[in-house]
Amino acid sequence: GAGVSQSPSNKVTEKGKDVELRCDPISGHTALYWYRQSLGQGLEFLIYFQGNSAPDKSGLPSDRFSAERTGGSVSTLTIQRTQQEDSAVYLCASSPGRGGREQYFGPGTRLTVT
Amino acid sequence: KNEVEQSPQNLTAQEGEFITINCSYSVGISALHWLQQHPGGGIVSLFMLSSGKKKHGRLIATINIQEKHSSLHITASHPRDSAVYICAVRRGYYTGNQFYFGTGTSLTVIP
Repeated sequence: GAGVSQSPSNKVTEKGKDVELRCDPISGHTALYWYRQSLGQGLEFLIYFQGNSAPDKSGLPSDRFSAERTGGSVSTLTIQRTQQEDSAVYLCASSPGRGGREQYFGPGTRLTVT
Repeated sequence: KNEVEQSPQNLTAQEGEFITINCSYSVGISALHWLQQHPGGGIVSLFMLSSGKKKHGRLIATINIQEKHSSLHITASHPRDSAVYICAVRRGYYTGNQFYFGTGTSLTVIP
């Protein structure tokens, strides 16, 4: 079956603009994670969705970042008033069950804020 | 101090060598993951461990919960194993859902 997909694959935006990044998880996977990987840095946890439970937003770096997951499937990560330090690759991963199992990563969205 | 420390940061090996990458962590965990990231960025999950040892082909992963340490071994290394290997730990279910990541070990296997 299809893996995790993300769109767009690349996004260039001007500082101050809002951006939306999309993640389509593997069908049936109840857990969904967003991560960020800045240039030369390690992976950074952003947010975790599990089924219909309230998301764990503890990794979001500021209130400019938000995410939602509609119908327990597709998720959108929104960054408002983008800053240059938001430039990174944003990765989505999904997992069956409560997220402690193997994660399947999407190809990522490379965001560049100019 | 990072919650997850990996060593070495960079590793160059000759084809056929046995390779070990180490991961130490400082928090209570429910699971530890080893990830592989190839040039170009795609990430693949190699192993998820909560105890003991797992083997998949030429890859072996072990974890010692008491010592808070895990190792990833590659036997008979091959140039296609060249990638960044990342250790990630998941906190216990009742202490949060966060994953903490090591900064990765960049492996280059020379033919």
